[in-house]
Amino acid sequence: AQTVTQSQPEMSVQEAETVTLSCTYDTSENNYYLFWYKQPPSRQMILVIRQEAYKQQNATENRFSVNFQKAAKSFSLKISDSQLGDTAMYFCAFIPDSGTYKYIFGTGTRLKVLA
Amino acid sequence: NAGVTQTPKFRILKIGQSMTLQCTQDMNHNYMYWYRQDPGMGLKLIYYSVGAGITDKGEVPNGYNVSRSTTEDFPLRLELAAPSQTSVYFCASSRQGAEDSNQPQHFGDGTRLSIL
Repeated sequence: AQTVTQSQPEMSVQEAETVTLSCTYDTSENNYYLFWYKQPPSRQMILVIRQEAYKQQNATENRFSVNFQKAAKSFSLKISDSQLGDTAMYFCAFIPDSGTYKYIFGTGTRLKVLA
Repeated sequence: NAGVTQTPKFRILKIGQSMTLQCTQDMNHNYMYWYRQDPGMGLKLIYYSVGAGITDKGEVPNGYNVSRSTTEDFPLRLELAAPSQTSVYFCASSRQGAEDSNQPQHFGDGTRLSIL
């Protein structure tokens, strides 16, 4: 079975500091895609960043970057220069490139940015 | 561009009542999904559809039904509401295909449903 695990239920970080959210996954697939979604108190699900497993280069989107370790099946999210607006639930998600088209989500990490 | 629109945003049902959660998207996406999110938890897939006329069960389909008569609409029906179905429901869509597996999902704003 394919699974996504986020082992940090809650985290906090001081404004302007850097924080890393962990995500590990289990799959026998060789090609797949990974995503981080942000869910602020407004409940919207917002795509933060995505990574293709066949790409060795880590994805970056402004203050957000990932550390993708395929052999370790790890996909952590780093948020630099944290802002109060980054306070949200963060979900890691996985989808195999095998035609199932069913995303698998982790249980989320609640991040609080402190002023 | 409205994206994914869900209605209603909030609803309270009595045990045994039925209702339909509406979901429509205007992005011509072929794939649509229904998730439920229980408090403090992640998303669990209820049903999904890969195109008009095609639906399939997800992880937690019991107590729900769906239909996909058009590309735009993907309603979720609760026939006999039970307290265990109290949750926030999200509809999502994506442009998928054999060459588009890396496309992200676009989510609606969610429907908060309480069964009392």
